Amino acid sequence: AQTVTQSQPEMSVQEAETVTLSCTYDTSESNYYLFWYKQPPSRQMILVIRQEAYKQQNATENRFSVNFQKAAKSFSLKISDSQLGDTAMYFCAFILGGSQGNLIFGKGTKLSVKP
Amino acid sequence: DAGVTQSPTHLIKTRGQQVTLRCSPKSGHDTVSWYQQALGQGPQFIFQYYEEEERQRGNFPDRFSGHQFPNYSSELNVNALLLGDSALYLCASSLPRSMTNEQFFGPGTRLTVL
Repeated sequence: AQTVTQSQPEMSVQEAETVTLSCTYDTSESNYYLFWYKQPPSRQMILVIRQEAYKQQNATENRFSVNFQKAAKSFSLKISDSQLGDTAMYFCAFILGGSQGNLIFGKGTKLSVKP
Repeated sequence: DAGVTQSPTHLIKTRGQQVTLRCSPKSGHDTVSWYQQALGQGPQFIFQYYEEEERQRGNFPDRFSGHQFPNYSSELNVNALLLGDSALYLCASSLPRSMTNEQFFGPGTRLTVL
């Protein structure tokens, strides 16, 4: 069975600084996708960034980037130049390739950006 | 282009009652998945519907059932409600052969069971 672990229940960062959120996962499969979702107090789950397991290059989306270490089964999210609007719950999620259901989520990290 | 919509926003029920939650997928999507998110937890997969059939199911009892209509909208039904069913219920839609396996989420329905 696949599992996703987020070991940091809460984190805080000063505005304009950089923060890294950790995620590890466990699977015996080789074809899968990884995601970071953001869930602000409004509850809407928003996709931040995705990574295909077959790609060695780390994904980047503006201020958000990942450090994907496939052998270590690690998938961390780096947020640069943190903004107040980044305050939210962040969830790491996994899905097997070819599977349209069954996103597996971690328990989340609550990120607070302080002015 | 409307995103995923869900109704109602909030719902309060008592133990033993039945509830129906509704979801309309993003335009062009025909696959709908439902998730339960308990307070302080990550979402847990309930089931997925495609072509009006339940295609995958997570570890949830038969009290949880669903339906998909020809217009791809979906309902989640929960019978004999328990206190532990109190949660945020999220609907997500996707394309059946998406290259990115991305799912788009609605704002959720907050269910409180008293």
